Amino acid sequence: DADVTQTPRNRITKTGKRIMLECSQTKGHDRMYWYRQDPGLGLRLIYYSFDVKDINKGEISDGYSVSRQAQAKFSLSLESAIPNQTALYFCATRGTSRGEQFFGPGTRLTVL
Amino acid sequence: TQLLEQSPQFLSIQEGENLTVYCNSSSVFSSLQWYRQEPGEGPVLLVTVVTGGEVKKLKRLTFQFGDARKDSSLHITAAQPGDTGLYLCAGMYSSASKIIFGSGTRLSIRP
Repeated sequence: DADVTQTPRNRITKTGKRIMLECSQTKGHDRMYWYRQDPGLGLRLIYYSFDVKDINKGEISDGYSVSRQAQAKFSLSLESAIPNQTALYFCATRGTSRGEQFFGPGTRLTVL
Repeated sequence: TQLLEQSPQFLSIQEGENLTVYCNSSSVFSSLQWYRQEPGEGPVLLVTVVTGGEVKKLKRLTFQFGDARKDSSLHITAAQPGDTGLYLCAGMYSSASKIIFGSGTRLSIRP
């Protein structure tokens, strides 16, 4: 079984809709991250959480919100989706101080 | 703005050739990671380097961290089609709360 899972894997939605992307991990890591990947732009950090009570904005948090429901679960919401939020979204965990991250398989989101 | 620049952006070479990918910044990192990503999947960790001047080998892949801990390189010897993918470097600042990613090098190995 995969250590970091994401649901859904693919999602097509319309402008203005609210959607939630979910991430679960079995690695026992406290730190969890949400990234967005666009062609030619690498991975950009949306939000990160160091424990259930600690939520921090990343470099591109506008238009997004997150919830850390438990150590193992970190969800990303788009309150009112817009077309330029079309991208690949990745969840990641980190267990050490050395920076190594473990990624989920990603969610491909299309906003029409 | 803190940047991590990777070069080249794209690289297409023949099987058996050698190649080097670079990751450069003006910032000092406490550690640097290299990841490989295949289409439809998340990045997978290849290596972490921590000490300035450190060299790590992973089969045909050699990773080097610059002496000043501002840059890194990935050298592949005798490239194979299975090496095809997007290679990403990521640097972590000493505060341990911030990690930035390079934009990646897309590598294609022709049989």
